[in-house]
Parts: sequence; C-alpha cells; structure tokens
Amino acid sequence: DQQVKQNSPSLSVQEGRISILNCDYTNSMFDYFLWYKKYPAEGPTFLISISSIKDKNEDGRFTVFLNKSAKHLSLHIVPSQPGDSAVYFCAASTLYNFNKFYFGSGTKLNVKP
Amino acid sequence: DAGVIQSPRHEVTEMGQEVTLRCKPISGHDYLFWYRQTMMRGLELLIYFNNNVPIDDSGMPEDRFSAKMPNASFSTLKIQPSEPRDSAVYFCASSPDRDRPSGSTGELFFGEGSRLTVL
Repeated sequence: DQQVKQNSPSLSVQEGRISILNCDYTNSMFDYFLWYKKYPAEGPTFLISISSIKDKNEDGRFTVFLNKSAKHLSLHIVPSQPGDSAVYFCAASTLYNFNKFYFGSGTKLNVKP
Repeated sequence: DAGVIQSPRHEVTEMGQEVTLRCKPISGHDYLFWYRQTMMRGLELLIYFNNNVPIDDSGMPEDRFSAKMPNASFSTLKIQPSEPRDSAVYFCASSPDRDRPSGSTGELFFGEGSRLTVL
C-alpha cells in the first residue's frame, strides 16, 4: 500500500512555461518532504525539501508547496527548461523515523524546446 | 569526492541463480539504504543500516532477499534464488548522521543503480 502517490506518470510542457508536478500522501504523520530528480541511467539527486511547519519553500526556479489539510504537495518549475526533462520523485518521512523515506512512483517530465 | 558506488551496473541472469549486488557508500556516511525501483511501485525501501547495523528490513520482499554490511565501506544485497519478478533497478544510497531539527535537508545520496534482469 503506497503511502506516497504520484498519480501522473508523465507530463509534457513547453519550454518557458510552468511545470507543476503533484504528489499526495496518506500518512498524516509525515512531516518532512523532499523532491528528487532522476535522469536516465543515473541515481536520483536531491532537488528541494520542505518541513511541515512551512507551506512553501523556494530555491531558484523550483518551489515546493505543501497543503497539509489536503495531504498534498506540488513542485513548480518556472520557467521550465529542456534540461529539466527527467523523472521527479517525491518522498516523505516522519519525525519518529526520519531516516525512512517513502517514495512515490515518479512523474516523467518532458520539456519541449 | 567519490559518490556512492554500485556494482554491477547491469546483471542478466537466469531464474534460480544467486545474485549479489554491491555498494560502497560515501566515506563518513552513517546510513546506508537499499531501494528497488519498478514501474508499478516506484522506489521502494528494502532495508537500511545505521553504523553497519540493520535498522529496518520490513521492506525486504521475502526470505530470498538478504543484505549485509560487514563494515562501514561495503554492503551487499543478495537474492537467492532469483526470480523473473525480481527484475528491477536496485539503488544503494547513503547519508550522513543527522538529528532533526538540525537544519539538515535529509538528503540521500544515491548510486547509479544496478539493473537486474532475471530471465
């Protein structure tokens, strides 16, 4: 039973536009969330994180929004670039087991030039 | 500084054979994780170690899977006997010790993965 879900397996966006990747979770004990980016034949790399005490965290073109009541987070990429084309995973953990991260199934983003 | 190193990168084997995947974590990292990536379930945590001690192996699918960490710089994931449904990419990741809320990002450092195909 997946506790972190990414319901969109793929997303296609035009270069320069906004990419919005969504993630839902079921465990109300999750209080720390991360996004990872993965290129083919490489391991996932950390992108951005957010704690449940915040509802937004921004790092350059990347912003993560957290809606705790809806158990939903999203990653916004503005403006999208072709180099952003990758698989994006969201992950979550709890305070009492911080090291155990639950990952979603990933969303493949394609940014068209 | 070298990242997490996994071997082999690719493994093709026949059903029933033993498979051993290897991982060298980043030096100084106290945590080591084994994940499996499949199309259906994404990244699943199989087991993780802290200071070479297995902490949580609840994700290990069944007794055919075993993992060891004999020292701080080496870990293995073994499948015996292997089955076609074990075909997946297996990732090893490591992270430094951290204690929230220290301000750490909680980042995991992943290796490039071992792609296993069981025929």
